[in-house]
Amino acid sequence: DVKVTQSSRYLVKRTGEKVFLECVQDMDHENMFWYRQDPGLGLRLIYFSYDVKMKEKGDIPEGYSVSREKKERFSLILESASTNQTSMYLCASSFPDRGNTEAFFGQGTRLTVV
Amino acid sequence: QKEVEQNSGPLSVPEGAIASLNCTYSDRGSQSFFWYRQYSGKSPELIMSIYSNGDKEDGRFTAQLNKASQYVSLLIRDSQPSDSATYLCAVKGWAGKSTFGDGTTLTVKP
Repeated sequence: DVKVTQSSRYLVKRTGEKVFLECVQDMDHENMFWYRQDPGLGLRLIYFSYDVKMKEKGDIPEGYSVSREKKERFSLILESASTNQTSMYLCASSFPDRGNTEAFFGQGTRLTVV
Repeated sequence: QKEVEQNSGPLSVPEGAIASLNCTYSDRGSQSFFWYRQYSGKSPELIMSIYSNGDKEDGRFTAQLNKASQYVSLLIRDSQPSDSATYLCAVKGWAGKSTFGDGTTLTVKP
């Protein structure tokens, strides 16, 4: 059974804290993605990675960074958490081809910044 | 213009009816199209994928793709209350990056 696992289901952090969200996949996927999902705004891509130590900005990278030191692990970092980063964060992974393979999602991390 | 647009909803249908969900996309080079279902508080799960023009059927679900019109749709036949969820259209493009629509919320009333 394929699996994408996010380290926390719920997190509450204070404004200004550095926050780490971890994602691990066991499918040997090259591609990994971080999205945030807000009501009425759909899924928005924050960062993605095609390979180890490789990263690309998505649509809303401001205030975030990422790290991919191993193929199976992709971390999202909030350098200084702010209340407007309160959201549901979803990690996904997929194979890199442009063809017929879909993205698999983790269970999501609901982050509240107070 | 958004890259992927879905009919805004919410959509409400009676149990047993056909639910029709629509999606348009802007990138003519897109080749892979997916429909995800997302229950409230859960992560998206894939229910249908389609890559060629025409229809693709899987049980009660039919995906339709028209690349010339840049249009993809999902039909749910014999809708059940358990189909009540938000449906996300996704288009896969350059280097495997998927772009999602905002979703259409479907309610199936018993």
